Amino acid sequence: GAVVSQHPSRVICKSGTSVKIECRSLDFQATTMFWYRQFPKQSLMLMATSNEGSKATYEQGVEKDKFLINHASLTLSTLTVTSAHPEDSSFYICSAGGQGNTEAFFGQGTRLTVV
Amino acid sequence: GESVGLHLPTLSVQEGDNSIINCAYSNSASDYFIWYKQESGKGPQFIIDIRSNMDKRQGQRVTVLLNKTVKHLSLQIAATQPGDSAVYFCAENRAGWRQLTFGSGTQLTVLP
Repeated sequence: GAVVSQHPSRVICKSGTSVKIECRSLDFQATTMFWYRQFPKQSLMLMATSNEGSKATYEQGVEKDKFLINHASLTLSTLTVTSAHPEDSSFYICSAGGQGNTEAFFGQGTRLTVV
Repeated sequence: GESVGLHLPTLSVQEGDNSIINCAYSNSASDYFIWYKQESGKGPQFIIDIRSNMDKRQGQRVTVLLNKTVKHLSLQIAATQPGDSAVYFCAENRAGWRQLTFGSGTQLTVLP
């Protein structure tokens, strides 16, 4: 299957700082990527849909000014958690594909810990 | 509202036994279903999928069954191995949707 690479796999940051997470499709072009957040022992919750060359579409309750998404190319989407707080600590996962009747390919996830 | 949910949050099986993980969905318009395996600290990994025009699909040691009448999906793992221990999610999609909807997950533990 297709490969989606996510970086970093783990990051610890101080409260108030910003953290950038990258999601790359290595062997295919992705006009759309998805960002999920997963809390311990819970399912994946969609945060936003990242569209190449246009603004991201955010799910209800997700602050677009806090979770900045940039999809500048067909192989790269970034999620920046701005002014991070301890409650932002979570597992963030990106995916590509999964539109309509197609399989989604997931990155390895990023464990964010805000101290 | 529309949802995809799992019957059991945890399942423990003996190594070598068969495992059955269940999933209920409520959206009759869903026409594509996927099972994912997620190991601790990793992203979901595709296991098997099935489209609504099928009742059963088999892969290597795994079988997915779809019962559209009662909106039920199951994943059967044959001869369960320690490496099968993980959380299993079902997900649904349908033509025209932009993204998957995930169920709550089942933690499978394989006992020695």
